[in-house]
Amino acid sequence: SQQGEEDPQALSIQEGENATMNCSYKTSINNLQWYRQNSGRGLVHLILIRSNEREKHSGRLRVTLDTSKKSSSLLITASRAADTASYFCATVHPQGAQKLVFGQGTRLTINP
Amino acid sequence: GAGVSQTPSNKVTEKGKYVELRCDPISGHTALYWYRQSLGQGPEFLIYFQGTGAADDSGLPNDRFFAVRPEGSVSTLKIQRTERGDSAVYLCASSPVGAGAADTQYFGPGTRLTVL
Repeated sequence: SQQGEEDPQALSIQEGENATMNCSYKTSINNLQWYRQNSGRGLVHLILIRSNEREKHSGRLRVTLDTSKKSSSLLITASRAADTASYFCATVHPQGAQKLVFGQGTRLTINP
Repeated sequence: GAGVSQTPSNKVTEKGKYVELRCDPISGHTALYWYRQSLGQGPEFLIYFQGTGAADDSGLPNDRFFAVRPEGSVSTLKIQRTERGDSAVYLCASSPVGAGAADTQYFGPGTRLTVL
């Protein structure tokens, strides 16, 4: 069963704008990861944030984690057409043996 | 270097048939995972191998599903008596160690299974 819920389910913005996606989860976690998926096939790992971290940056990506609210956000700054994809958050339970539990994803469309 | 590869990329079969899906992980990766993704959903965990053994098969939906990794490298997901509800993209991932909880998983392109 899916643990995470992404919000919004779909997001459409103009190129150059910032895109923010949110993820909520239900259980305690060891870490939370964000993945990108193009055309419904292979997933690409974007960033991992541990449960004792609150914010992490990687290039144009910024991830925050609030364990008290069991939520995370992914911010993509200065969006590009190539950022069009589905974005998923995935959690790893402390005793989860690395099993990723995914949310349903946010479909992001960047309009040129 | 080469990433995770999966064959076939597409498989169409008839209800009741047997299918095998293959995954070649990144060389040297000891951990291997299978996930299933239905249309419009996120991937769902099926099974995790550490070396040759299945460390967690709690995601396999029923006994029609079975997976092996006999030499600790290539893995095969086997589905018996396929049903239309088995139609999905089957994703394989590998990671270097798998023992810690902070390994990045590297995904293959998936096999799209369609059961008619």
